[in-house]
Amino acid sequence: NAGVTQTPKFRVLKTGQSMTLLCAQDMNHEYMYWYRQDPGMGLRLIHYSVGEGTTAKGEVPDGYNVSRLKKQNFLLGLESAAPSQTSVYFCASSSGSSDTQYFGPGTRLTVL
Amino acid sequence: KQEVTQIPAALSVPEGENLVLNCSFTDSAIYNLQWFRQDPGKGLTSLLLIQSSQREQTSGRLNASLDKSSGRSTLYIAASQPGDSATYLCAVNAGNNRKLIWGLGTSLAVNP
Repeated sequence: NAGVTQTPKFRVLKTGQSMTLLCAQDMNHEYMYWYRQDPGMGLRLIHYSVGEGTTAKGEVPDGYNVSRLKKQNFLLGLESAAPSQTSVYFCASSSGSSDTQYFGPGTRLTVL
Repeated sequence: KQEVTQIPAALSVPEGENLVLNCSFTDSAIYNLQWFRQDPGKGLTSLLLIQSSQREQTSGRLNASLDKSSGRSTLYIAASQPGDSATYLCAVNAGNNRKLIWGLGTSLAVNP
């Protein structure tokens, strides 16, 4: 039981490049979340999903897109990376909206 | 708008001390409150979840209390150990969409 995994662990992009972050969970959770964590700002929700095929905007969705084609996977895409998107990105999942969230190890992204 | 504050931002104690971390929130209409631990460069690990109807939860040397009316929660760590060194975050589950609202965390250092 791997829990929540994230790929890649580290990535450096140039401004304007695109990339996709992959999150996978093996706990059969309905809810999945993408957060970013920045010094002094805490965790901020980017997008979330309440089930396969659904996505919704969080607190800071601009510049990001997501997809949940399979229940176990939640993808976060950056179409045209900007330096302001330099951050640590965390994926999380939970069985319900009020239940404990389980986090992945994070992806450290630097945009030059 | 719900806001979550954690005091102190940083704490350094000698091994063996009992200590209290504080979390306050501005709107008492919450579903639950969750405490997490984050080790440097790692993801978040759930420690305790207190439902709005509960007063406290215990897990080993950890005890979390909740006072909704005053908008406060405390995390009590008994007989602290160097392995407890980490950042502790609290988050409240609130609102129609039941998303987590996060504090900035308390960075704890337990010195041998």
